[in-house]
Amino acid sequence: EAAVTQSPRNKVTVTGGNVTLSCRQTNSHNYMYWYRQDTGHGLRLIHYSYGAGNLQIGDVPDGYKATRTTQEDFFLLLELASPSQTSLYFCASSDVGNTLYFGEGSRLIVV
Amino acid sequence: TQTVSQSDAHVTVFEGDSVELRCNYSYGGSIYLSWYIQHHGHGLQFLLKYYSGNPVVQGVNGFEAEFSKSDSSFHLRKASVHWSDSAVYFCAVSPNSGTYQRFGTGTKLQVVP
Repeated sequence: EAAVTQSPRNKVTVTGGNVTLSCRQTNSHNYMYWYRQDTGHGLRLIHYSYGAGNLQIGDVPDGYKATRTTQEDFFLLLELASPSQTSLYFCASSDVGNTLYFGEGSRLIVV
Repeated sequence: TQTVSQSDAHVTVFEGDSVELRCNYSYGGSIYLSWYIQHHGHGLQFLLKYYSGNPVVQGVNGFEAEFSKSDSSFHLRKASVHWSDSAVYFCAVSPNSGTYQRFGTGTKLQVVP
């Protein structure tokens, strides 16, 4: 069974704070993704990667950095968190067949 | 640029009824089209996808979807829904390269027992 694990599952931080969301996949997939989910917007692609050391910009990258350290691990960094980044964040991985496997999500609140 | 739209934010049906969830897309070339389901408090799970061939594709749990190039649509259908089908359903479009997927805003399906 494909597995994508996110941590933390819940996080509260203050405006201007530093947050790192972590994602690990055990699917041996090349592609990994970070999405944010907001009511009325569905899922929006922040960053993605097709392998260790690679980073591609998605549709809503402003305010986010990402780093793919290994094939398994993909991190999303918010260096100066803002209330507009309060959201539910999902990590996903995929193979060449294009089916996405999602984690359970990380809920971030920026106060 | 590939985009996808889901015009219905909420759909309510009774258990045993049929349902169709609508998805329309715009694209500039060959694409994949997919449907995913999200139960409350969980991540999305894959239901089915279309790339080429038979325009009607079968998915898990009795779901099917039909691709129409003339209508630019990829609607999801189920002949007889169960209360456990209550969830949010997302349509997604991906370029031929399969490198990323863009999602619609989702349709919340409520099945009344």
